[in-house]
Amino acid sequence: DAGITQSPRHKVTETGTPVTLRCHQTENHRYMYWYRQDPGHGLRLIHYSYGVKDTDKGEVSDGYSVSRSKTEDFLLTLESATSSQTSVYFCAISAVVNEQFFGPGTRLTVL
Amino acid sequence: EDQVTQSPEALRLQEGESSSLNCSYTVSGLRGLFWYRQDPGKGPEFLFTLYSAGEEKEKERLKATLTKKESFLHITAPKPEDSATYLCAVQAKDNAGNMLTFGGGTRLMVKP
Repeated sequence: DAGITQSPRHKVTETGTPVTLRCHQTENHRYMYWYRQDPGHGLRLIHYSYGVKDTDKGEVSDGYSVSRSKTEDFLLTLESATSSQTSVYFCAISAVVNEQFFGPGTRLTVL
Repeated sequence: EDQVTQSPEALRLQEGESSSLNCSYTVSGLRGLFWYRQDPGKGPEFLFTLYSAGEEKEKERLKATLTKKESFLHITAPKPEDSATYLCAVQAKDNAGNMLTFGGGTRLMVKP
């Protein structure tokens, strides 16, 4: 988890409320990613960023938006949370190519 | 579409009993294959990257190998502290965002 923090680490919210998860890195890596991990589905990419203000969709982007206004911060927003978005969310970072390094995760429960 | 399948889903070993985990993949041109270890309640921890068939990497009791269709993670004389979920992922060459496609993982339990 070196150089990557996620906040909050745990969150319980209600259906229909907006939620924002934050990923912060101190490594100055160009690429940042948001994944969700669910039993039976493994890790699936939601969105990623390849630079400040440069983002793109992943495999499961519906219902999620992202923003990156600074190199070190990547925000994931659930505009109107649903129970299907209950999951563990991981942020990852990567230098120019290859290995991704993961944060400690955020456990989100939507009631 | 890139696909990664890991087997078995779960593996129970006695301490010292060596074994192998399998990762089968299909990808439109492989840039790299990655192995991660994940402990309960934590993020995946990077172990190895393999780039071409025939390549091998080692770390302590773990050795990863790669062919054109699959990768193996060999665990020699495992200890209880090797218990974790092991994840395999591939990265395609035509991949502007360096995205990874993950398998479902193998949960390894090593009993003393």
